[in-house]
Amino acid sequence: KAGVTQTPRYLIKTRGQQVTLSCSPISGHRSVSWYQQTPGQGLQFLFEYFSETQRNKGNFPGRFSGRQFSNSRSEMNVSTLELGDSALYLCASSAGQGLIEQFFGPGTRLTVL
Amino acid sequence: GEDVEQSLFLSVREGDSSVINCTYTDSSSTYLYWYKQEPGAGLQLLTYIFSNMDMKQDQRLTVLLNKKDKHLSLRIADTQTGDSAIYFCAENRGYSTLTFGKGTMLLVSP
Repeated sequence: KAGVTQTPRYLIKTRGQQVTLSCSPISGHRSVSWYQQTPGQGLQFLFEYFSETQRNKGNFPGRFSGRQFSNSRSEMNVSTLELGDSALYLCASSAGQGLIEQFFGPGTRLTVL
Repeated sequence: GEDVEQSLFLSVREGDSSVINCTYTDSSSTYLYWYKQEPGAGLQLLTYIFSNMDMKQDQRLTVLLNKKDKHLSLRIADTQTGDSAIYFCAENRGYSTLTFGKGTMLLVSP
C-alpha cells in the first residue's frame, strides 16, 4: 500500500506570493490533517478534513486555508506569504472517524524569501 | 500548562537501553503516541497506547503510561545507531488533533 504523498517536496517563494501544497492520503483513508513544523514552535496543527468537510482548525490566521476533494486528496493554500511561513508542512492521513493511527507524509519544505 | 513536555536531548551507547520521557496535559486524551523523525523526513508512527492501558510492548519498544502523573515513557531496548533521530510524543485531545511535544533528540554512539 502506498504511503502518504506530498507535492512538491520543496518550494521557494517570495513574500507576498501565495502557494498551494498537495497531499494524497493512503488509499481508503478519508481523514487528512495538516501540520506546520518550525524550529521555534515545533509541530502545530493547522486543520483536518474528513469527507470534504473541515472538522477542526488550529490557531492560524485566515491566510491559511485548505480543502479536500471527493477522492480524499487535500490541498492547503497560504496566501500573502510572510517570512515566518517558512516551515516544513506535513500532511497526515487516518482511516476513519476516530483517530487512532495517523500516518505522515514526507512533508513539503517551504522557504519564503 | 498546555504544553506537552519532553527533555530535549538523550545520549546513549549502542546496545544500551534508551528511555525517553514525556509529560502530557489532558487527562481526557484517549490515545498517546510516539513518533520518530529522521533528518529531512516526515514523522514515522512508532507505537501508540490507549489511555486505559499501563503498558504496551512492541518488539524493542516498551511504552509505559502513568495516568495519575500524566507521564508517558518510551523504552528502546538494545539501542542501535539507526535509532538516532528525534522522538516526539503526542496526545490526542479529541477528534483528529494531535498535540506534540518539542521532541527529544536521541544520539546513539558506537
